[in-house]
Amino acid sequence: GQQLNQSPQSMFIQEGEDVSMNCTSSSIFNTWLWYKQDPGEGPVLLIALYKAGELTSNGRLTAQFGITRKDSFLNISASIPSDVGIYFCAGQLLVSNFGNEKLTFGTGTRLTIIP
Amino acid sequence: NAGVTQTPKFRVLKTGQSMTLLCAQDMNHEYMYWYRQDPGMGLRLIHYSVGEGTTAKGEVPDGYNVSRLKKQNFLLGLESAAPSQTSVYFCASSLSDTQYFGPGTRLTVL
Repeated sequence: GQQLNQSPQSMFIQEGEDVSMNCTSSSIFNTWLWYKQDPGEGPVLLIALYKAGELTSNGRLTAQFGITRKDSFLNISASIPSDVGIYFCAGQLLVSNFGNEKLTFGTGTRLTIIP
Repeated sequence: NAGVTQTPKFRVLKTGQSMTLLCAQDMNHEYMYWYRQDPGMGLRLIHYSVGEGTTAKGEVPDGYNVSRLKKQNFLLGLESAAPSQTSVYFCASSLSDTQYFGPGTRLTVL
């Protein structure tokens, strides 16, 4: 099955640093989603993108829907300890209004903040 | 409003045993999904359902069965567990594009 290529796999940063991660696919999507997973919990949606070129912010998080529809980027500014976790991108291609809502997930980026 | 709940949270099985994982959602969502999460592989879709009484295969359906007899519940069954099914299982539900995930079930098959 298809998986999205997400990079980097892991990041070790100091508090206050900015973070960038990205996701690429061999096929196009018409929706990109970014999730965060805390240890022992399920993923939680951070940002949803619906249009090629779209740039959307949610607090210190900014995500972009790549113009080719095959990639997406997530940036976190001025990282804080609660940003620690695993970040997943997910792509979705809706076939019709009643089509399935299947997501294809990236392999995740594990973010660690060094004291 | 509990969102998506999963039962049990942890389980250890012996090879060949069977079990059922229960997912419940109270958001009146039409779509429900079962994923497995393995290290370095993200989440992979096992089965999904687009409404009560309907189910469909996802990316990795072999060795699993599902049922959606009631809109709020989605059951994942393992008829004869194998060590390769050791994983963390997540259920999710959605109305449209936003999927809401449960807390997960950690299953170990010895």
